[in-house]
Amino acid sequence: EDQVTQSPEALRLQEGESSSLNCSYTVSGLRGLFWYRQDPGKGPEFLFTLYSAGEEKEKERLKATLTKKESFLHITAPKPEDSATYLCAVQYPGGADGLTFGKGTHLIIQP
Amino acid sequence: DAGVTQSPTHLIKTRGQQVTLRCSPKSGHDTVSWYQQALGQGPQFIFQYYEEEERQRGNFPDRFSGHQFPNYSSELNVNALLLGDSALYLCASSLFGTIGELFFGEGSRLTVL
Repeated sequence: EDQVTQSPEALRLQEGESSSLNCSYTVSGLRGLFWYRQDPGKGPEFLFTLYSAGEEKEKERLKATLTKKESFLHITAPKPEDSATYLCAVQYPGGADGLTFGKGTHLIIQP
Repeated sequence: DAGVTQSPTHLIKTRGQQVTLRCSPKSGHDTVSWYQQALGQGPQFIFQYYEEEERQRGNFPDRFSGHQFPNYSSELNVNALLLGDSALYLCASSLFGTIGELFFGEGSRLTVL
């Protein structure tokens, strides 16, 4: 069964303390890997799309990278407003358009 | 520009009842997907609608059905509700053929007692 695994499940950082979130997937080859941010009581908000190994995308304090088996979301000098659940999702080959999501990493940035 | 709107925001049902959830996609979008998100879990793909037809379906039973209207809005129907159907139901809109960049609504929180 195709799986997406995110780690850690939860992460607490001090403001300004950089770190990385991990997303690993089981299938070789995929149509795309996506990062979303979800605030409590809200729907996920799209952040990045990555298509091929070696690709990187940046947005403010976030940078997403992709290898053949995993992706990292690097958070540099985070602020309290970066606190959220970060979800990773993949779209597998074979024509299926539905995304397969991981369980997410709950990130808390303390001031 | 209105984003994705869903109604109702919260509802409570009892086992065996039926529920209908509604979604209006972001302006300019023609494709609607539905996801179920249980507490502490990531969203799970239910199905996708385009051109008023169900195009793809995830691993959900036939109790889950849907509809898309000519104005691209959509409904999700769940029959014979089970306690395990309690979840946040998310609607996501996109342009057909785009990969992964979904715009989500804030969801409908369903509680089954």
